[in-house]
Amino acid sequence: DAGITQSPRHKVTETGTPVTLRCHQTENHRYMYWYRQDPGHGLRLIHYSYGVKDTDKGEVSDGYSVSRSKTEDFLLTLESATSSQTSVYFCAIKGQGEAETQYFGPGTRLLVL
Amino acid sequence: GQNIDQPTEMTATEGAIVQINCTYQTSGFNGLFWYQQHAGEAPTFLSYNVLDGLEEKGRFSSFLSRSKGYSYLLLKELQMKDSASYLCAVTDSNYQLIWGAGTKLIIKP
Repeated sequence: DAGITQSPRHKVTETGTPVTLRCHQTENHRYMYWYRQDPGHGLRLIHYSYGVKDTDKGEVSDGYSVSRSKTEDFLLTLESATSSQTSVYFCAIKGQGEAETQYFGPGTRLLVL
Repeated sequence: GQNIDQPTEMTATEGAIVQINCTYQTSGFNGLFWYQQHAGEAPTFLSYNVLDGLEEKGRFSSFLSRSKGYSYLLLKELQMKDSASYLCAVTDSNYQLIWGAGTKLIIKP
């Protein structure tokens, strides 16, 4: 257990509304990631952070923004949700050690109507 | 482009052995991971290979051939709880993880 929580766990929203997902970790990890997972696709990186206020774009960043004002919290915002953003969103941290394995939070299921 | 290929679905029998293959083409290589993901849950780490050869961990083993861009995950003495998706992921030259779409493994009694 890497001490990662995500909130909310489930959300239904309407097209055009802003949505913010929260990832919280308790073990002071430097790197945090946001992925989305859709059927037929591998996990796809949206944004990642390598420290407080240090973030970078991933493969599918259009329509998403992130913020990290504290080590423990990494927020993902959908500025104006679209149906194509219906997905399962996972937060992950990078652990220590040779492999620098990523460990995942429980996920947020988002439905955009 | 970067690409990771795995079979979409496999079926095996309880108590048997199954091998799940993964081939990759990435810009650089800094390690290969296997994760297990039960339906509706988060991926969980199974194994990591960075050198050629076989890594054994209980009923699960993972093999890597860097020259062939190939890995497999071997599951022995299959149990019903092994029914899950198995995800292959490669760390590229920028130390980002590139993910395959996953292999759904169905175990039949």
